[in-house]
Amino acid sequence: AAGVIQSPRHLIKEKRETATLKCYPIPRHDTVYWYQQGPGQDPQFLISFYEKMQSDKGSIPDRFSAQQFSDYHSELNMSSLELGDSALYFCASSLGGAGNTIYFGEGSWLTVV
Amino acid sequence: GEDVEQSLFLSVREGDSSVINCTYTDSSSTYLYWYKQEPGAGLQLLTYIFSNMDMKQDQRLTVLLNKKDKHLSLRIADTQTGDSAIYFCAESFSGYSTLTFGKGTMLLVSP
Repeated sequence: AAGVIQSPRHLIKEKRETATLKCYPIPRHDTVYWYQQGPGQDPQFLISFYEKMQSDKGSIPDRFSAQQFSDYHSELNMSSLELGDSALYFCASSLGGAGNTIYFGEGSWLTVV
Repeated sequence: GEDVEQSLFLSVREGDSSVINCTYTDSSSTYLYWYKQEPGAGLQLLTYIFSNMDMKQDQRLTVLLNKKDKHLSLRIADTQTGDSAIYFCAESFSGYSTLTFGKGTMLLVSP
């Protein structure tokens, strides 16, 4: 079965650079979530979208932005990167209003040097 | 993870049963999940339970929910070395709400 696809899987950036992560949800899923997991930490919710509109907002820094496109894929844009942004970024998807079972992608490893 | 608490570490021998415990504080949680994360890998949904259920069994996995005590447990029968991983408990509400994770329990299975 198709899963949540994230790209790139690994990314190395320098401080103050910009990075973009992409997420392709499970087909027919209309809700996308972004989570950040620091080393040894639990995943922290950043932001979510339902039907291309922002549905919820968590601890996403102002330097970050995200959107969901007409084909339901989503992109997380991170600017002015800091060392503390180094983390595993998960995208997850669900079919909103139908049991809320949330499936995660494999994650994108971002290392800021 | 401040609303969801888990013990940090559990060590068992291969073939034994493992029980991973989780407590949550928000009584309005509707869905409770267990995710597995192997080193360097993503989050794998193992199972979930709705708050109107007391128990759910799926092959080697049994989830027990005590709503009165806000306690959730995951029992893994006949634990194998491949079960060694971090197990996260998570809660959410109905609709499009997000997940709140516990800190995770590291399960170490020795031969």
